[in-house]
Amino acid sequence: QVQLQESGPGLVKPSQTLSLTCTVSGGSINSGRYSWTWLRQSAGKGLEWIGRFFTHGGTNYSPSLKSRLTISVDTSKNQFSLKLSSVTAADTAIYFCARETDFWNGYSEIPYFDFWGQGTPVTVSS
Amino acid sequence: DIQMTQSPSSLSASVGDRVTITCRASQSISNYLTWFQQKPGKAPKLLIYTASTLQSGVPSRFSGSGSGTVFTLTISSLQPEDFATYYCQQSFSTPRTFGQGTKVEIK
Repeated sequence: QVQLQESGPGLVKPSQTLSLTCTVSGGSINSGRYSWTWLRQSAGKGLEWIGRFFTHGGTNYSPSLKSRLTISVDTSKNQFSLKLSSVTAADTAIYFCARETDFWNGYSEIPYFDFWGQGTPVTVSS
Repeated sequence: DIQMTQSPSSLSASVGDRVTITCRASQSISNYLTWFQQKPGKAPKLLIYTASTLQSGVPSRFSGSGSGTVFTLTISSLQPEDFATYYCQQSFSTPRTFGQGTKVEIK
């Protein structure tokens, strides 16, 4: 059973960089064909997709966050990370990491999120 | 971005009631639709993927249907543990987008 666990500071000052890590257990982050994804949830914007990287290489970011966002992977630690720069109060949210897999229905692959971390709250405040 | 709109935003129901939640996409998404259940302080839990495939371990009282732009999640007989917020999500394109949620409360 795959498990994901987010970690990082719960409080970040405005204009600084938010750094979070997702540690994956129960499976290698390097195997299979998955998208390892960051999402967040706030009262104001609901559930929001931030971005992802693919086990076969490459990343994909939300257009609204792309200029401030970096997602990277450390396969030796079975972790992937998020860095969001120049944060403001609007970045206050619960941050989740998740795995997206595909279901083959005979003619197309349909992605869905099958495993999630428990979430970590982040507050942006001075 | 594809907009996902759920209705109603909240509902009150009794144990044993049949509950239906609707999700509409701003463009056709075929069956690239997932339903989640979320309880306070917890991560979303996968219920249904590909619009109608029940995730392993999820009770059969949950069912999903629809294709294109209109989808429904039905709980055939509401149980006490089903009081939660439900979200639909499209995986047809990026950015992935979610509905605003439907909170199912006890009447």
